[in-house]
Parts: sequence; structure tokens; C-alpha cells
Amino acid sequence: NAGVTQTPKFQVLKTGQSMTLQCAQDMNHNSMYWYRQDPGMGLRLIYYSASEGTTDKGEVPNGYNVSRLNKREFSLRLESAAPSQTSVYFCASSDKRTNTEAFFGQGTRLTVV
Amino acid sequence: GEDVEQSLFLSVREGDSSVINCTYTDSSSTYLYWYKQEPGAGLQLLTYIFSNMDMKQDQRLTVLLNKKDKHLSLRIADTQTGDSAIYFCAALGDSSYKLIFGSGTRLLVRP
Repeated sequence: NAGVTQTPKFQVLKTGQSMTLQCAQDMNHNSMYWYRQDPGMGLRLIYYSASEGTTDKGEVPNGYNVSRLNKREFSLRLESAAPSQTSVYFCASSDKRTNTEAFFGQGTRLTVV
Repeated sequence: GEDVEQSLFLSVREGDSSVINCTYTDSSSTYLYWYKQEPGAGLQLLTYIFSNMDMKQDQRLTVLLNKKDKHLSLRIADTQTGDSAIYFCAALGDSSYKLIFGSGTRLLVRP
């Protein structure tokens, strides 16, 4: 099992460009999450999806959109990247039906110049 | 909404015990976690505790939960240099899917 897979691992964007971060999990989990990690600020929740077909805003949703394409995949889109979105992005999945532990991908390091 | 807070930095000598503290605001938080992040890596679950427990021990790790004060702590006995990492506290409510993390505590273990 691969667990949670994020692509790409690294990305450099120019201000105003758009891109989509991909995330897929093979654990049949219901819930998926997108976080950003900035120095001294821990992990902040951008969006989450409690189950297939639903998405909800987290703590810092502005400037982002998400799509829960199916049970496996949860993508994060930056429509017009800004330098303030330079960060490390983590995708995670979990399932309250089985256990509540969240499993994390390895992260995407995004730099917006 | 839920807010989870931690101190940012802790330095201990190898062989000593480390205690990392966390406070949360939502009294309905049912699941409380400790995650570890090593440099350049994702997060890995260390241990967790349910709100109906006061303590959980797992080898060198002891988790204490004070529900009245909404305070969670992680004690690492006989801390080793390999324990140097960032430790995150996280909380999840029973009727919620919003998993909220603290800012992380960077643990430095000195030889």
C-alpha cells in the first residue's frame, strides 16, 4: 500500500500562475484534508472533505479551491498564486469508522516568486 | 472553533525526560493526538488518547490528559538524540471532521 501520495513534490510558480496539487489515498478512507505548514505556525487546515461529495472550509481557505473527485482523490487548486502561498502543503486522510488516525503524504514544497 | 496551542521550543539533555505541553479550547474534543515530524518529512502518529482516559503509556511515551483544564502533555522518558524533531498536538471532536493542529514544539536533545 502506498498510503497517501501527493504530487508534485516541489513546484515553483510565478505570481498569478495557477496550479493543482494532487492527492490520492489507497486506504479507503472517508475523510481527506489539505494543510499548509509555515515556520512557527504549525499546520493550518485549508479545506477538508468529511466524505466523498462534501467539502468544507478550514482555518485558511482564502485563495484556494478543492475538489473531491472521488473517494480516493482530493485536489487543491491555486487559481492565481501569490507569494503568501509559498509553503509546504500536506494532504492527509483518515476514517472515523475504523480508527481516527490521520495518515499524511510527504508534502509539496511550493514557492511562489 | 477549536484552537490548539503549544510552546515553540524545548531543549533537554540526552537521557533526561522531556515534557511537551498542549492546550485546546473545544471541550467536545474527543480524540487527541501527538504527531512527530522529522526534518523534510511528513507527520507520523506517535500516540493518541481518547477523552474518556486520563493517561496512556506506550513504552517511553506517557500521555496525560486533564479534561477540566483542557491540557494535554507528552512525556518522553530517557530522551535520545533521535527524538529531536517537531512534535504536534492535534484535536478532533466527536461530531466533527475538522482535525486541528497546534503550532508544533521543536525538541532539541543535547548530547
